Amino acid sequence: LAKTTQPISMDSYEGQEVNITCSHNNIATNDYITWYQQFPSQGPRFIIQGYKTKVTNEVASLFIPADRKSSTLSLPRVSLSDTAVYYCLVGDMHPGANNLFFGTGTRLTVIP
Amino acid sequence: GAGVSQSPSNKVTEKGKDVELRCDPISGHTALYWYRQSLGQGLEFLIYFQGNSAPDKSGLPSDRFSAERTGGSVSTLTIQRTQQEDSAVYLCASSYEGPPRDEQYFGPGTRLTVT
Repeated sequence: LAKTTQPISMDSYEGQEVNITCSHNNIATNDYITWYQQFPSQGPRFIIQGYKTKVTNEVASLFIPADRKSSTLSLPRVSLSDTAVYYCLVGDMHPGANNLFFGTGTRLTVIP
Repeated sequence: GAGVSQSPSNKVTEKGKDVELRCDPISGHTALYWYRQSLGQGLEFLIYFQGNSAPDKSGLPSDRFSAERTGGSVSTLTIQRTQQEDSAVYLCASSYEGPPRDEQYFGPGTRLTVT
């Protein structure tokens, strides 16, 4: 069962690039890696998903090394509104397998 | 279109009482998930449904917890004989197909307080 580890918190200034790394040493062959963002008093919101190498969308990039034992979420030029908790999720594709593990989350604080 | 809705938004109950939490997923989504989030903590996965079936219920914390889904739509999470440690925000999510590749859409959650 894949479990994840993330830094508890990070601070960044506005306009900087932020990289948040998630460790998942026991990731299985069929597991995908997904990142979510959560604001206070709201449910998490999907950011990006990947399996290997690099994925980029309009809000973030996801870097996954060849061994897939970690992944890094990259947020370019953060703003104050990016202050939130970021969760890494690693999951099993097998039907019937409730092996969905969210990390403990990384609380990102963007400073003016 | 409408997102995932949950009711009630807040529930205060006395220790030992039973509670029912409801989740209405996005129409057409076949997968439905329940999570629990204690104050200041991460998300704890409870159970997931594919259609009306929950293939594995081992994520439920104890036998006081049960969940069902009918008609491939609405789901109910029931907690019997509530305890203070059950106090948390219970989040429901749905996705078009299922884990883990499919994007999950979360509801606003139900804040449960057991006194």
